[in-house]
Amino acid sequence: DAKTTQPTSMDCAEGRAANLPCNHSTISGNEYVYWYRQIHSQGPQYIIHGLKNNETNEMASLIITEDRKSSTLILPHATLRDTAVYYCIVRLGTGTASKLTFGTGTRLQVTL
Amino acid sequence: GAVVSQHPSWVICKSGTSVKIECRSLDFQATTMFWYRQFPKQSLMLMATSNEGSKATYEQGVEKDKFLINHASLTLSTLTVTSAHPEDSSFYICSAMGLAGAYEQYFGPGTRLTVT
Repeated sequence: DAKTTQPTSMDCAEGRAANLPCNHSTISGNEYVYWYRQIHSQGPQYIIHGLKNNETNEMASLIITEDRKSSTLILPHATLRDTAVYYCIVRLGTGTASKLTFGTGTRLQVTL
Repeated sequence: GAVVSQHPSWVICKSGTSVKIECRSLDFQATTMFWYRQFPKQSLMLMATSNEGSKATYEQGVEKDKFLINHASLTLSTLTVTSAHPEDSSFYICSAMGLAGAYEQYFGPGTRLTVT
């Protein structure tokens, strides 16, 4: 699986959009970009994933650059409950052998 | 949907004893389950991958005789930490992957193991 690079930490004011970047310059054509988050002492929570097109769901939006070497997770209106470690992971999208390899992630702190 | 549970949520055991942790997919059938370990302030590390009815595949450096994994049904996998030592104290998390959708992985809430 391709490696990813994320900033160690970010701050965001409550109510503002949180934009979390991720670099994955060695991504291959059949690898997806996945985002998970982990709130303290809980299991990771799936947020969103995409291949090449931008994606949006009830939690967030995922913007993938045209060359697919980087992406941005957008939380449109961050709340205190969004404080967590966010993991950007690149992996094969299908098949039972496609495991998730977690990096160090970005620690997002949402403040009042 | 896609709920994964773990039991127990926390456990304290004495050094030298064995501990079993259960991972269940509550509303879907999980053909594959994964076991992770997370030490304080560190990321999740994959320990092993188990497919229903077959032997688990362990990651490099993980002792298969110490961390016994059983995936006997499509909704249950167990991790047994044998002869536990204080260095095995950690947060153990399972995830389950089914056939629905794009093979998403859904994570359990984790089990905190403390070996004294």
